[in-house]
Amino acid sequence: DAGITQSPRHKVTETGTPVTLRCHQTENHRYMYWYRQDPGHGLRLIHYSYGVKDTDKGEVSDGYSVSRSKTEDFLLTLESATSSQTSVYFCAISERTSGGLLQETQYFGPGTRLLVL
Amino acid sequence: QKEVEQDPGPLSVPEGAIVSLNCTYSNSAFQYFMWYRQYSRKGPELLMYTYSSGNKEDGRFTAQVDKSSKYISLFIRDSQPSDSATYLCAIGILNDMRFGAGTRLTVKP
Repeated sequence: DAGITQSPRHKVTETGTPVTLRCHQTENHRYMYWYRQDPGHGLRLIHYSYGVKDTDKGEVSDGYSVSRSKTEDFLLTLESATSSQTSVYFCAISERTSGGLLQETQYFGPGTRLLVL
Repeated sequence: QKEVEQDPGPLSVPEGAIVSLNCTYSNSAFQYFMWYRQYSRKGPELLMYTYSSGNKEDGRFTAQVDKSSKYISLFIRDSQPSDSATYLCAIGILNDMRFGAGTRLTVKP
């Protein structure tokens, strides 16, 4: 999984409670992403980061916030979890250039299964 | 209409068959094209990536991009039971990759 870990790997929580998921990388890659994966929808981008303290919204950002205080860590927070946020969450990392070639290849972590009751 | 459409399958083939997986997209600005393999309860694993029209080959895998038709394909030759997985296409631009919903493939011994 390209030096990417996610924690926790599984979590069950109740509606209305805050939840924080952590992504940690050992690759020193600049770009980090949070996706959610749901049946029939594929992977959808929630937020991404292009450096420490630099983040931006993705396709499905409502109800989520992120923070990146260190290169290696990217946190995803659900301020008040809802049942519609039950999903599998994946973190991904990428580095833009390899041998001078601009690229957008992303490497994914193992995922976090979140169930909101 | 989704920006990336992928044949949902499921697809079941005998061992040794040639497999063809396809995606179409709607945004002509998309310039990065990738295929990922995802085993059950695992993260997606990058298989192939390309940034131009044409074919790219890597072992038993060939990725094909036709920008004029907005159509990409992944071919798997001599398919093996270990190829049984869900295959995701990813198409997009920097910081905005769009993923297909995935095609579930089963290769039977």
